[in-house]
Amino acid sequence: GNSVTQMEGPVTLSEEAFLTINCTYTATGYPSLFWYVQYPGEGLQLLLKATKADDKGSNKGFEATYRKETTSFHLEKGSVQVSDSAVYFCALAGFGNEKLTFGTGTRLTIIP
Amino acid sequence: EAQVTQNPRYLITVTGKKLTVTCSQNMNHEYMSWYRQDPGLGLRQIYYSMNVEVTDKGDVPEGYKVSRKEKRNFPLILESPSPNQTSLYFCASSLPGGNKQYFGPGTRLTVT
Repeated sequence: GNSVTQMEGPVTLSEEAFLTINCTYTATGYPSLFWYVQYPGEGLQLLLKATKADDKGSNKGFEATYRKETTSFHLEKGSVQVSDSAVYFCALAGFGNEKLTFGTGTRLTIIP
Repeated sequence: EAQVTQNPRYLITVTGKKLTVTCSQNMNHEYMSWYRQDPGLGLRQIYYSMNVEVTDKGDVPEGYKVSRKEKRNFPLILESPSPNQTSLYFCASSLPGGNKQYFGPGTRLTVT
């Protein structure tokens, strides 16, 4: 079955540091890949997505590239801000399938 | 404003006392789903619905029921709650076939 493995947290960085959160997946076929973000006390919001190999998803300064050869979808941001503090979830959905399979989440804290 | 609403947001109850968590969306989405979020486990799907009167089990359906009598509503029913159902619950909705799911704000349930 499908599965997602993401970097264990928590992760604490200083403001303006470079961020990488690793995510690898196991799936049959050609899944779509997602990063969702959960701010304190809120539901999940889609941050970015990629639907095929070599696609790059980007939003709010975050980027992730769909790497089929390494089955990875690592999240990166060049300069983090305090407002980026949240829990980040990597997820996948099978082709044409609504069901999301989530990783365990990575809590990110940015200190001024 | 496009949104998914859940009620109640917080609930403390006792073992065996039936409860219902409501979920409603205003985007005319066919697909709706319930997840539970537990530390170290990420989000796991409980039940989903492809449309009115069409529901199916997700990964962790034991102890839960759902119904989909109207397109906008997808209540989660716990007939006889137990302490292992203490969790944070999220409802989500989307259009068929992908991709972006809209999440409610969450319901924190404690069963004593």
